[in-house]
Amino acid sequence: AQKVTQAQTEISVVEKEDVTLDCVYETRDTTYYLFWYKQPPSGELVFLIRRNSFDEQNEISGRYSWNFQKSTSSFNFTITASQVVDSAVYFCALITYGNNRLAFGKGNQVVVIP
Amino acid sequence: EADIYQTPRYLVIGTGKKITLECSQTMGHDKMYWYQQDPGMELHLIHYSYGVNSTEKGDLSSESTVSRIRTEHFPLTLESARPSHTSQYLCASSEFEDAGELFFGEGSRLTVL
Repeated sequence: AQKVTQAQTEISVVEKEDVTLDCVYETRDTTYYLFWYKQPPSGELVFLIRRNSFDEQNEISGRYSWNFQKSTSSFNFTITASQVVDSAVYFCALITYGNNRLAFGKGNQVVVIP
Repeated sequence: EADIYQTPRYLVIGTGKKITLECSQTMGHDKMYWYQQDPGMELHLIHYSYGVNSTEKGDLSSESTVSRIRTEHFPLTLESARPSHTSQYLCASSEFEDAGELFFGEGSRLTVL
């Protein structure tokens, strides 16, 4: 079985503050992929990043960064110097090799206050 | 930019009506999915397809049905809508070999009175 836990439901920050979204996953498979998606108010989910289980390198993309730690089964996401356009729901997701069914966490609602 | 389209974006109907939510993609993707998103934001997979004439039930039981007669088209049908079907329905697609990188439509928000 595979499971993704995003404990924080709603997070409010003032513009320019950093915000970190926690993601903890469970799987018995050794080969898997982790994802983050963004869902803006318009509704569609936008792919942000994919990381496979053999690549623990952290990644930075502009103001976004991701910290993958297999030892704690976590794949956390940080938005640096948040902006109002970052206001959205963010989903962490997991797919295991051969499963082909993406399991989503419950999502984090991020509200950036100007 | 993803080329996956859902219609209608918003639908308000009465109990007992038959409805079909349309989903089309122009990327030639083999895999397509329907997710139901409840007001608490959580996404539940209700149907998926790996290609033409292939459809499977997802993790969440749903009274809806789907069909996949053409690669680009994956409609979802409710024969008799009920208030419990009120939700947001998201369609997605991906390439067969590409694990997890789903492209999503903007969703269809259904309200059953």
